[in-house]
Amino acid sequence: TQLLEQSPQFLSIQEGENLTVYCNSSSVFSSLQWYRQEPGEGPVLLVTVVTGGEVKKLKRLTFQFGDARKDSSLHITAAQTGDTGLYLCAGRKTSYDKVIFGPGTSLSVIP
Amino acid sequence: EAGVTQSPTHLIKTRGQQATLRCSPISGHTSVYWYQQALGLGLQFLLWYDEGEERNRGNFPPRFSGRQFPNYSSELNVNALELEDSALYLCASSRTGYGYTFGSGTRLTVV
Repeated sequence: TQLLEQSPQFLSIQEGENLTVYCNSSSVFSSLQWYRQEPGEGPVLLVTVVTGGEVKKLKRLTFQFGDARKDSSLHITAAQTGDTGLYLCAGRKTSYDKVIFGPGTSLSVIP
Repeated sequence: EAGVTQSPTHLIKTRGQQATLRCSPISGHTSVYWYQQALGLGLQFLLWYDEGEERNRGNFPPRFSGRQFPNYSSELNVNALELEDSALYLCASSRTGYGYTFGSGTRLTVV
């Protein structure tokens, strides 16, 4: 049983389009993180959200943590080919707990 | 600042052999985490070391073991290798409660 579910599993869009990927759980997390991973490399941390309802922006990427701290979303505006990769959400239940990863959303941005 | 370094980058072993993977964390990070990323299975938590102690262990058999040295570097040992142990093994480091910085991984192939 996956503690963190991500949707969609795969996404292929044209350059310039907008997209949203989702991360959901039945559990409450003290924090959620989003990572991006490229083939053959380790994941790279994009953002950490810790407060229910929190919204963080990183250039064209907008991250939101659900009010109940059980879900999160990542919105990309005007996608670029450089956004291609595997997007992973990850959460920890307490500050001193291990991080659990979702299965990821594989994004392909076509020129 | 040097990132998380892992060695070797690639490792080919025969079924039944032992593999040793190494990880050097970012300076100042006392926690080291090991994850297995097998094809199609996402990141599965293996082990967490902090201040030389094993803090948490994932749902893996005892033939997966490791340790953390006084300089906070770590090694992961996999005994009696099986074909299904073939995967990308990722090491990450962090300060307690913060996001992870991952290395580029060791690609283990068991033949």
